[in-house]
Amino acid sequence: ETGVTQTPRHLVMGMTNKKSLKCEQHLGHNAMYWYKQSAKKPLELMFVYNFKEQTENNSVPSRFSPECPNSSHLFLHLHTLQPEDSALYLCASSQDWGRKLFFGSGTQLSVL
Amino acid sequence: DAKTTQPPSMDCAEGRAANLPCNHSTISGNEYVYWYRQIHSQGPQYIIHGLKNNETNEMASLIITEDRKSSTLILPHATLRDTAVYYCIVLSGSQGNLIFGKGTKLSVKP
Repeated sequence: ETGVTQTPRHLVMGMTNKKSLKCEQHLGHNAMYWYKQSAKKPLELMFVYNFKEQTENNSVPSRFSPECPNSSHLFLHLHTLQPEDSALYLCASSQDWGRKLFFGSGTQLSVL
Repeated sequence: DAKTTQPPSMDCAEGRAANLPCNHSTISGNEYVYWYRQIHSQGPQYIIHGLKNNETNEMASLIITEDRKSSTLILPHATLRDTAVYYCIVLSGSQGNLIFGKGTKLSVKP
């Protein structure tokens, strides 16, 4: 248990669906992150939020829309995804944009 | 461009020390060496980090060469649960984000 909880653990969606991934941390951290891990590829940093402000958007397509309403919660809104977006989506948090990140268990997303 | 080079895979016998090397020949003075690991289908887990001195915690030891161009992560008594992909990451202390490479897949065998 890392203190970072992601829901759902698994998600199957069609290309026309809209869904959201949720991440919650109970560690009092100020920075939160979304990473994507496709099969047999390294983790890719998608978004970074520091004190609820987005500080990094790593050229992510607009069909992925992050939201950070407060320092404890982070969402990733998904719409009109493609099959190649199927991947493990990982959320992480850290204290003050630090380097010691705590990761959740991820959401395994399948787009049909 | 990759800042670190790691072997793609290594084997280790259970109960023996696992020594995972990492080359970072272009590291600059304010950059730290971080190690994370990822057990299959889980999120990465922080292990240890260091600047120039050797470091030890309850999980592992980190040995950094005097010229800081390479380092070794040591798991003193590897168990089957240490089977994972181990990532060595070089990062400035004041800027930049954690970027993962391909890492080393460590297989601990009975």
